[in-house]
Amino acid sequence: ETGVTQSPTHLIKTRGQQVTLRCSSQSGHNTVSWYQQALGQGPQFIFQYYREEENGRGNFPPRFSGLQFPNYSSELNVNALELDDSALYLCASSFDRGLAETQYFGPGTRLLVL
Amino acid sequence: TQLLEQSPQFLSIQEGENLTVYCNSSSVFSSLQWYRQEPGEGPVLLVTVVTGGEVKKLKRLTFQFGDARKDSSLHITAAQPGDTGLYLCAGRSGNQFYFGTGTSLTVIP
Repeated sequence: ETGVTQSPTHLIKTRGQQVTLRCSSQSGHNTVSWYQQALGQGPQFIFQYYREEENGRGNFPPRFSGLQFPNYSSELNVNALELDDSALYLCASSFDRGLAETQYFGPGTRLLVL
Repeated sequence: TQLLEQSPQFLSIQEGENLTVYCNSSSVFSSLQWYRQEPGEGPVLLVTVVTGGEVKKLKRLTFQFGDARKDSSLHITAAQPGDTGLYLCAGRSGNQFYFGTGTSLTVIP
């Protein structure tokens, strides 16, 4: 186990709804990254938070937004859900931001949009 | 858009065989990582390579970073059923990690 937890584990929503996914990072880690992993593909970077500030964003529309809290836990919010948003959403926490940075991934939240 | 292409996409081999997985890109990365992901779990880091031409060995796994830091390979010797999983490479550019398309490995006892 990595110490990174995510909730919920599974979620079913309908198109147009909004969803909030949560991530508790490993103790002492100040950086959280969120990824979307479609079935049969590698994870795609959504954004990263470092000490409560967004610190980089991938090629995702603004309806994907996030927060990082003072305890370094994080939320991913997705508005106006689309069918293509169905995927496994992974968060990863890390501390050392050098080249040898190690990301510890949670088990993910599987989102199904109907 | 996936900047890193992995090959093969699927691999099914007998226990005891050797295999190599490739990770290729036209982009230069400051470091490259390999992960293994099992069903229902997040990826788990296997290794990080930083220097062009670097070779790292972890028991039966050998990782190599290309001289130009654009590509990498993972070689497994004498594969075991416990090696079964999805192998992902990830290149770092700035503070972003770009993951490859993945190689699904099945080792048959």
